[in-house]
Amino acid sequence: DTGVSQNPRHKITKRGQNVTFRCDPISEHNRLYWYRQTLGQGPEFLTYFQNEAQLEKSRLLSDRFSAERPKGSFSTLEIQRTEQGDSAMYLCASRGALSYEQYFGPGTRLTVT
Amino acid sequence: GQQVMQIPQYQHVQEGEDFTTYCNSSTTLSNIQWYKQRPGGHPVFLIQLVKSGEVKKQKRLTFQFGEAKKNSSLHITATQTTDVGTYFCAETTTDSWGKLQFGAGTQVVVTP
Repeated sequence: DTGVSQNPRHKITKRGQNVTFRCDPISEHNRLYWYRQTLGQGPEFLTYFQNEAQLEKSRLLSDRFSAERPKGSFSTLEIQRTEQGDSAMYLCASRGALSYEQYFGPGTRLTVT
Repeated sequence: GQQVMQIPQYQHVQEGEDFTTYCNSSTTLSNIQWYKQRPGGHPVFLIQLVKSGEVKKQKRLTFQFGEAKKNSSLHITATQTTDVGTYFCAETTTDSWGKLQFGAGTQVVVTP
């Protein structure tokens, strides 16, 4: 158990609906990352938080995607007007200030029908 | 897109044999990290390589960073069934951001 938790673990939604995922990082970690992974590929970087500040967003993150980390602890990733191409595993990872190792959560598998 | 290329994409190994997976880039890499993802699981950190020509060992796993810092390799000796999974290399930067740019991975299947 890496200590990073994600909810829900699975989400099935219809095209056009909004979904929100939650990530609870390891408590003392101030750095939090979101990645997206599709079958047969490595995780792709989406966005990065240091404490509550969102410091980087990938070009992959369209306007339909928004992420927050309001108190520098848990984070949420919202996808509005979901499309079938959004179907993927959404992974959250956290890292402490003095280490370089990222700890991944179990992921949220999104299926858009 | 992914900036590091991993070969092979798939590796079938007989238990007890050795194999090597490679991670290549056309540009100089900052740092390389290796992760292992078991089937149905999430990536788990294995090692970070920083210096040119660096070699690190973890039991049966040997990690190497090329002299030009454009490639890296993972060599596993005496493969066991517990080695099943996908091995990813990922470039990471030296700044505090530390985002990872993963390759597509090498999926390893071990035959008893």
